[in-house]
Amino acid sequence: AQSVTQPDIHITVSEGASLELRCNYSYGATPYLFWYVQSPGQGLQLLLKYFSGDTLVQGIKGFEAEFKRSQSSFNLRKPSVHWSDAAEYFCAVVKGHHNNDMRFGAGTRLTVKP
Amino acid sequence: DAGVTQSPTHLIKTRGQQVTLRCSPKSGHDTVSWYQQALGQGPQFIFQYYEEEERQRGNFPDRFSGHQYPNYSSELNVNALLLGDSALYLCASSLWTGAGNTIYFGEGSWLTVV
Repeated sequence: AQSVTQPDIHITVSEGASLELRCNYSYGATPYLFWYVQSPGQGLQLLLKYFSGDTLVQGIKGFEAEFKRSQSSFNLRKPSVHWSDAAEYFCAVVKGHHNNDMRFGAGTRLTVKP
Repeated sequence: DAGVTQSPTHLIKTRGQQVTLRCSPKSGHDTVSWYQQALGQGPQFIFQYYEEEERQRGNFPDRFSGHQYPNYSSELNVNALLLGDSALYLCASSLWTGAGNTIYFGEGSWLTVV
């Protein structure tokens, strides 16, 4: 069964510092991979996605993620964090086409120090 | 371009009652899915609708049912509410393209069962 692991429950970074959120997936083939962000009491906003092709994908708000098949990872990065980036971040995987059975990690809560 | 819209945003129900949540997909999308997000957890897939039929279902009991209308809007019904059904219910939509689907989420409906 496909699964997603986000090893870090909570991360604190200083404003302006770089950020990397880890995501590992378990799935027999190349899945479709996503990162979403959720502010308190809000829905999920799509940051970026990987379907195929270039393994480094760019998203909104200055985020990027790199798909590494050998490590079954899809880590999210940002070179300089802003206070408004404080939120919960979810990595998710979908198997195959036209499949909205999206499996989520438990999430990583990001705190940004001034 | 309207995104995924859900109603109501908040509601309180009594144990044993029934609830209906509504969702309008993003303009141009034909596939709707529902997720349950308990406090402090990642979303869990309930089911997916396409062409007015339930196409996939997660590990949820029959108390959870749904419907999709010809205009692609959807409803989630939960019967015989339990305290454990208290959660944020998220609707997501996508367009079936034959390739990877980009899945967009609404802001959710907060259900409290007392």
